[in-house]
Amino acid sequence: QQKVQQSPESLIVPEGGMASLNCTFSDRNSQYFWWYRQHSGEGPKALMSIFSNGDKKEGRFTAHLNKASLHVSLHIKDSQPSDSALYFCAVSANSGGSNAKLTFGKGTKLSVKS
Amino acid sequence: EAAVTQSPRSKVAVTGGKVTLSCHQTNNHDYMYWYRQDTGHGLRLIHYSYVADSTEKGDIPDGYKASRPSQENFSLILELASLSQTAVYFCASTRDNNERLFFGHGTKLSVL
Repeated sequence: QQKVQQSPESLIVPEGGMASLNCTFSDRNSQYFWWYRQHSGEGPKALMSIFSNGDKKEGRFTAHLNKASLHVSLHIKDSQPSDSALYFCAVSANSGGSNAKLTFGKGTKLSVKS
Repeated sequence: EAAVTQSPRSKVAVTGGKVTLSCHQTNNHDYMYWYRQDTGHGLRLIHYSYVADSTEKGDIPDGYKASRPSQENFSLILELASLSQTAVYFCASTRDNNERLFFGHGTKLSVL
């Protein structure tokens, strides 16, 4: 069974600072990697995906994937108070049909202090 | 944006009672999921479905049943609710499992 672990559990960064969130997974066949964000009282919303080794940048957000080391990370540049939320890493090993399981980590709680 | 509607938004149930949580999507998505969220455990997959009239077990299916009578509707059934099933339950849908999930607002279930 896929195991997805996130660190740190919680993180405090100053407004304008850089936040770095980490995620490790156990299944070397994993193919699809997502970051989700959940604000208090709401359902999670997808932030970005990364499917290939290397970096992917979307605005202030950069995801990094290293399949060999079973590691994916999210870096938030110029953090804003509105970025304060619970961040989840989600991993899927297989594609389609009955294999379409998406496993989430326990999340990292990010607080951006102004 | 894709819409996923859960009902009820909150529910109080008695131990041993039957609880049905409903989820409706208007996105024409094939895949639907039920997750539960507990503090310290993140989101854990209970059941999922990739086609109407068929469901699959997730990582924590014990004590739960699922029903997918149509592409739009996916229900989670607790036949004998227990205290340990107190949690927030989220339904989600997606067109394909390599695409983003769209989540509902969640159902807060309290079993007393």
